[in-house]
Amino acid sequence: DAKTTQPNSMESNEEEPVHLPCNHSTISGTDYIHWYRQLPSQGPEYVIHGLTSNVNNRMASLAIAEDRKSSTLILHRATLRDAAVYYCILRDSTGGGSNYKLTFGKGTLLTVNP
Amino acid sequence: DTGVSQDPRHKITKRGQNVTFRCDPISEHNRLYWYRQTLGQGPEFLTYFQNEAQLEKSRLLSDRFSAERPKGSFSTLEIQRTEQGDSAMYLCASNPGQQFSGANVLTFGAGSRLTVL
Repeated sequence: DAKTTQPNSMESNEEEPVHLPCNHSTISGTDYIHWYRQLPSQGPEYVIHGLTSNVNNRMASLAIAEDRKSSTLILHRATLRDAAVYYCILRDSTGGGSNYKLTFGKGTLLTVNP
Repeated sequence: DTGVSQDPRHKITKRGQNVTFRCDPISEHNRLYWYRQTLGQGPEFLTYFQNEAQLEKSRLLSDRFSAERPKGSFSTLEIQRTEQGDSAMYLCASNPGQQFSGANVLTFGAGSRLTVL
């Protein structure tokens, strides 16, 4: 899987928006951009994914740069329950190689202050 | 549908003992994955099943580790002769579909935390 780069940690205040960046300069045209998060003492949880266009769901928004070499996960109003490690992962849509599995990096630890 | 279930949630054992973890995936999910996570690291892939067939094993899965999914439903991960370095969270995940798609998402269980004394 192509590699991603994320900041080790970020901090936010409750009820403020949070923008979590991810760089993926070696992304290929067939790679989906996935975001998962992991709350303390829990397994990872799917958040959102996209290919080229920006995406919105009930949890978050995903903004994808026009050249697709970076993306940003947006939490519109952070709550204390959003404190977690956020992982940005690329998945090849062609089904070749080892892309049937997710390859996790260290992610970004998000701290939300009350 | 109660999601992916893992049992036990916590296991403390002495070095040299055998331990077994069980994973019940979401019903009718064909693919099942095992991951291991140590403190401060992201989850690392261990092995993967398509129905009952184990299709890939990571180099992390030493000879002391064995995983099965006998009927294509639940899976077990056994660690023989545990070592302190085996202390970690063992995560199970599943996803549906016979055909791979880059849009497929994995649903993870809460994990089984192993402590080897």
